[in-house]
Amino acid sequence: QVLESGGNLVQPGGSLRLSCAASGSTFDNCVMSWVRQAPGKGLEWVSDISNTGDKTYYRDSVKGRFTISRDFSENTLYLQMNTLRAEDTAVYYCVARSSYGIGGYPFDLWGRGTLVTVSS
Amino acid sequence: EVVLTQSPGSMSLSPGEGATLSCRASQSVGGSYVAWYQQKPGQAPRLLIYGASSRATGIPDRFSGSGSGTDFTLTISRLEPEDFAMYYCQQYVYSPITFGQGTRLEI
Repeated sequence: QVLESGGNLVQPGGSLRLSCAASGSTFDNCVMSWVRQAPGKGLEWVSDISNTGDKTYYRDSVKGRFTISRDFSENTLYLQMNTLRAEDTAVYYCVARSSYGIGGYPFDLWGRGTLVTVSS
Repeated sequence: EVVLTQSPGSMSLSPGEGATLSCRASQSVGGSYVAWYQQKPGQAPRLLIYGASSRATGIPDRFSGSGSGTDFTLTISRLEPEDFAMYYCQQYVYSPITFGQGTRLEI
């Protein structure tokens, strides 16, 4: 299982850190991702971190503002979000992605999500 | 960025009928890194199909996926009441990873 926390109401320009706790066996071998969903909208990939933690990827709209990281000793994934904008308002899902061989790393284990609201 | 266009945007069917959902990519995504997800209101998405045609663990065999290149299909035979939900396709071969806009399957 994966369980997100840290969502809150924050003013534009503010910061927030999301956390995602995972079981050890899930965390150690998975690519980890954040996906968001604005109210009433579709799914939007935000960021990935490799299973070794040495490679990170971001969508353009969050590059330079968001930072993904993982702590193997705590089995926890983080998303540090700075300079937040109204358009960042969404439910943020943590996703653990196992290897499926030639099937790659689909998004197979989702958390329940945590709501981030950016508003004054 | 690979744009995925799903059709139709919504469809109304009855339990017991079959459903065919389409997903077209703006460029070829090969055949291995396309997935389908089901999402019900207030819930997280659930992986149904990965690698374009492989069912995820625990997914009933009435769900099947096919396609390659730019055209992919999710087929649901014999709809059950619990199948009425939103469905998203996804490509996870190119960055940024992208999702289609979704197809709403309604009773």
